[in-house]
Amino acid sequence: DGGITQSPKYLFRKEGQNVTLSCEQNLNHDAMYWYRQDPGQGLRLIYYSQIVNDFQKGDIAEGYSVSREKKESFPLTVTSAQKNPTAFYLCASSNDRVVPYGYTFGSGTRLTVV
Amino acid sequence: AQKVTQAQTEISVVEKEDVTLDCVYETRDTTYYLFWYKQPPSGELVFLIRRNSFDEQNEISGRYSWNFQKSTSSFNFTITASQVVDSAVYFCALFSSGGSYIPTFGRGTSLIVHP
Repeated sequence: DGGITQSPKYLFRKEGQNVTLSCEQNLNHDAMYWYRQDPGQGLRLIYYSQIVNDFQKGDIAEGYSVSREKKESFPLTVTSAQKNPTAFYLCASSNDRVVPYGYTFGSGTRLTVV
Repeated sequence: AQKVTQAQTEISVVEKEDVTLDCVYETRDTTYYLFWYKQPPSGELVFLIRRNSFDEQNEISGRYSWNFQKSTSSFNFTITASQVVDSAVYFCALFSSGGSYIPTFGRGTSLIVHP
């Protein structure tokens, strides 16, 4: 079955470390997105990519970096510059950037700073 | 600019009650899409419905129904005879060219259904 796989499900990071969250899709979707979810804040857009080798900053990109070398993959790196990284991170994809049928989400990665 | 407001932060009901989740949106575009997603405790957002701005027909799917009214910029979601399995956070989202083709999500409404 097609879908989005996020790994790991839970991730613990020490202060000052960079960590990378994986997002892989086999839906042949062009567009991919990273969202951060905090309690009561809804979904906030970190980065998005609408084609391979191109990506754009979202509303809260500071302290994060991404790459889009392959259509299937859109990893997110949480750098040490991100001062409050503890959150739930969701990856999503859509089939069409202009007329999307919908957005498919992964099951998320819960990142905790220890 | 576009905006989605879900004014209800949390709703608590007893099983078998009907419940309506409100969604009010703002956009200057004439062509746009509205979505509802369910986020159960497992975390993954599940697609419920997509509606384009030219289709104001209400939709019913089992116990779920949606009321789209352009005159009031609202796209409300009603669950009839709620069940414990309906407990989740529900998100409304708006997509249009005015938002640079990026979906704007509301803050979500947490629905708790008590047995």
